[in-house]
Amino acid sequence: QQQVKQSPQSLIVQKGGISIINCAYENTAFDYFPWYQQFPGKGPALLIAIRPDVSEKKEGRFTISFNKSAKQFSLHIMDSQPGDSATYFCAATYRGSTLGRLYFGRGTQLTVWP
Amino acid sequence: ETGVTQTPRHLVMGMTNKKSLKCEQHLGHNAMYWYKQSAKKPLELMFVYNFKEQTENNSVPSRFSPECPNSSHLFLHLHTLQPEDSALYLCASSQDETTSYNSPLHFGNGTRLTVT
Repeated sequence: QQQVKQSPQSLIVQKGGISIINCAYENTAFDYFPWYQQFPGKGPALLIAIRPDVSEKKEGRFTISFNKSAKQFSLHIMDSQPGDSATYFCAATYRGSTLGRLYFGRGTQLTVWP
Repeated sequence: ETGVTQTPRHLVMGMTNKKSLKCEQHLGHNAMYWYKQSAKKPLELMFVYNFKEQTENNSVPSRFSPECPNSSHLFLHLHTLQPEDSALYLCASSQDETTSYNSPLHFGNGTRLTVT
């Protein structure tokens, strides 16, 4: 059973637009929700993460929105740029567990057209 | 430039070959991991090492054999692989193996493995 479900699988956005990627989880014990960004030929890199005690976290053009009751969280990329074109993975785990035991979504391939 | 270096970047091997993947981290971390990344599938955790000791083997077939001689180096020895083992193999490290908000995973750029 997939612990974290991510959608859409692919996303095409015009430059300057808003990119939105959604994730849902089942395990209510999860309390750490990172997003990773992966460029072609590179490994994933931590982009932004959120804890369930806040509903939103913003870092520059990237914002995570978190809805604990719905068990959903999403990544919003404002003013999307061609350099944002990459694959984005949401993940979830619980504090105190083995860090490598991140449950990843299947990824969203984002393409931003100039 | 990533603090986690993987070699080789690409590897093509036959099903009867024996090869090894190498990972080195320069971040002073104590935990290291092997992941398998296949197209359209979530990243799969394979092995976890903490202070050189294997702490997790995620039901990985014995044709994959990890080795961690010290906290900075991690190897994945491969033998008699199957075509379905073709994937991107990623190494990662973290300060320690316990999840904390200030201890993210740092990934290498991976080894693209093709089994013919």
